[in-house]
Amino acid sequence: AQKVTQAQTEISVVEKEDVTLDCVYETRDTTYYLFWYKQPPSGELVFLIRRNSFDEQNEISGRYSWNFQKSTSSFNFTITASQVVDSAVYFCALSPPVGGYNKLIFGAGTRLAVHP
Amino acid sequence: DGGITQSPKYLFRKEGQNVTLSCEQNLNHDAMYWYRQDPGQGLRLIYYSQIVNDFQKGDIAEGYSVSREKKESFPLTVTSAQKNPTAFYLCASSGSGSGASSYEQYFGPGTRLTVT
Repeated sequence: AQKVTQAQTEISVVEKEDVTLDCVYETRDTTYYLFWYKQPPSGELVFLIRRNSFDEQNEISGRYSWNFQKSTSSFNFTITASQVVDSAVYFCALSPPVGGYNKLIFGAGTRLAVHP
Repeated sequence: DGGITQSPKYLFRKEGQNVTLSCEQNLNHDAMYWYRQDPGQGLRLIYYSQIVNDFQKGDIAEGYSVSREKKESFPLTVTSAQKNPTAFYLCASSGSGSGASSYEQYFGPGTRLTVT
């Protein structure tokens, strides 16, 4: 079965703290993609990153960084020096290669609240 | 600017009425998707379409119907058969082909439907 688990339902931090959002996935496929999306209060999902299952290099983009560990089936997301604008719901998603159609399996999301 | 438009942002209906949610994209994407989001949950796939005049059921298609007469448009009808229609509905699209970027789905701003 394919599944994405985001165990942290809500996280609350004070501005400038670092915060890590956990994502654990299950799949039997050897090829797949992993994603992180941000959903601000406006509701629209904003694409943050895509990671190929063959590429285990960590990635950094400004204050955002991602740690992909295939051995533990995890794809964690860290925000360094958090800001109030980072407050949102963050979704991790898995895309298995299903017959050419790009299915996304979402986790339940982690609501991040950054307080001034 | 390219993007996905969903209207209206908020929609109210009486129980027993069918209602159609619109989704338009000008990204020249072949594939389009409809998701449902309930509070505290991830997104669940209702229907998807990989090409004009073709669409497939997702994980929770019962009580919904779609059409894909134009590449740019993928309207969703919530029928009276849908037992719990109140939810946030998100439309998405993705490019064609087998390249990595085709796995990225771009989302519209969503429609919040309330049925009383």
